[in-house]
Amino acid sequence: SQQGEEGPQALSIQEGENATMNCSYKTSINNLQWYRQNSGRGLVHLILIRSNEREKHSGRLRVTLDTSKKSSSLLITASRAADTASYFCATDADSWGKLQFGAGTQVVVTP
Amino acid sequence: GAVVSQHPSWVICKSGTSVKIECRSLDFQATTMFWYRQFPKQSLMLMATSNEGSKATYEQGVEKDKFLINHASLTLSTLTVTSAHPEDSSFYICSATDRGGEKLFFGSGTQLSVL
Repeated sequence: SQQGEEGPQALSIQEGENATMNCSYKTSINNLQWYRQNSGRGLVHLILIRSNEREKHSGRLRVTLDTSKKSSSLLITASRAADTASYFCATDADSWGKLQFGAGTQVVVTP
Repeated sequence: GAVVSQHPSWVICKSGTSVKIECRSLDFQATTMFWYRQFPKQSLMLMATSNEGSKATYEQGVEKDKFLINHASLTLSTLTVTSAHPEDSSFYICSATDRGGEKLFFGSGTQLSVL
């Protein structure tokens, strides 16, 4: 099956709440990245975490990486309506830039 | 501003015609470019890896004769969908990396609709 599987498929929350989504992968990785995609648009890079890192923060985003479980989580705190988008994890095992994307989590934040 | 420009943003064509999509790196030399395809409500699937001056490497299941990739310069890669059919309708997106392997940028994508 596909590298970088994610859950949940969809998430509906209210503004101010936190959103958590998970990603699992099968093979060893160099890096894991999280991207956001608004409907019908390109990708926005959110954060990159290296295989030797366990946690990383960027603004309202918090990413964890557990290489022993081959999993990662993305937490968006104090969500806003503008956070409504699909979120994808992506791993590169073969070479830099050659990404395997997860199935994605569609997040809807209602005002 | 965008450092990888993808053109066109959307294209509608008749079945049987060919469509060319361009991916340009604007302020760095893109030694490697990647092409992905995304069907509605699905994830991105890697189609091929394109290295400047050499033939593209296609992922399993991707027809190289149907999806022609050219990477003739360090700033431009093109994907040509030949004899397009409705099942080729999809969102195509490119990404580019530099020689040092430090930069990775995505284009804004091309929505292809084949009638």
